Amino acid sequence: GDSVTQMEGPVTLSEEAFLTINCTYTATGYPSLFWYVQYPGEGLQLLLKATKADDKGSNKGFEATYRKETTSFHLEKGSVQVSDSAVYFCALSALMDTGRRALTFGSGTRLQVQP
Amino acid sequence: EPEVTQTPSHQVTQMGQEVILRCVPISNHLYFYWYRQILGQKVEFLVSFYNNEISEKSEIFDDQFSVERPDGSNFTLKIRSTKLEDSAMYFCASSEGLAGGSYNEQFFGPGTRLTVL
Repeated sequence: GDSVTQMEGPVTLSEEAFLTINCTYTATGYPSLFWYVQYPGEGLQLLLKATKADDKGSNKGFEATYRKETTSFHLEKGSVQVSDSAVYFCALSALMDTGRRALTFGSGTRLQVQP
Repeated sequence: EPEVTQTPSHQVTQMGQEVILRCVPISNHLYFYWYRQILGQKVEFLVSFYNNEISEKSEIFDDQFSVERPDGSNFTLKIRSTKLEDSAMYFCASSEGLAGGSYNEQFFGPGTRLTVL
């Protein structure tokens, strides 16, 4: 079935460092791809999405490009802040047996940004 | 800003007991979901619900689980006889449209941590 693999954490960076969190997927057909973020004590929030190959999703300085040839959707940010400390989940809209789609998630990557 | 809420934030129960986890989805949303995350593992889809019936369910969602929309605002997940392996964080979500469609953003609640002793 469809699946998502993302790099294990925690990832610890200093403020203003460059961030990459790797995400690769296997899927049937053409899923949409997502990054969700979970701040401490809060629910999952959609950070960005891409719905077709070569699309770039972006939000709050974060970017990710839908790469069909490498089945990847890596999350990047040029300069992280302490407030970016959170858990980041890569997800795709997976194809179910019924032909409909539901979200399937990676295991999450905890980012810790130090001042 | 509208948000999905969940109660309780933490539930502790004895093995074999029934638990009901509660969620209030965003008021104009039509699709409702439950996911769970066992500690250190992936967030897993359990079930989706639309028009007062289950529209999708995963293999995890067996006969021990049930969902209900008892009134116009609440959406509940019931586990009839809890097992140790049901210990997890349970997330409720809602969306205007079906995941994968044009309106596919799912809004998540903060989760309920279920601990089965």
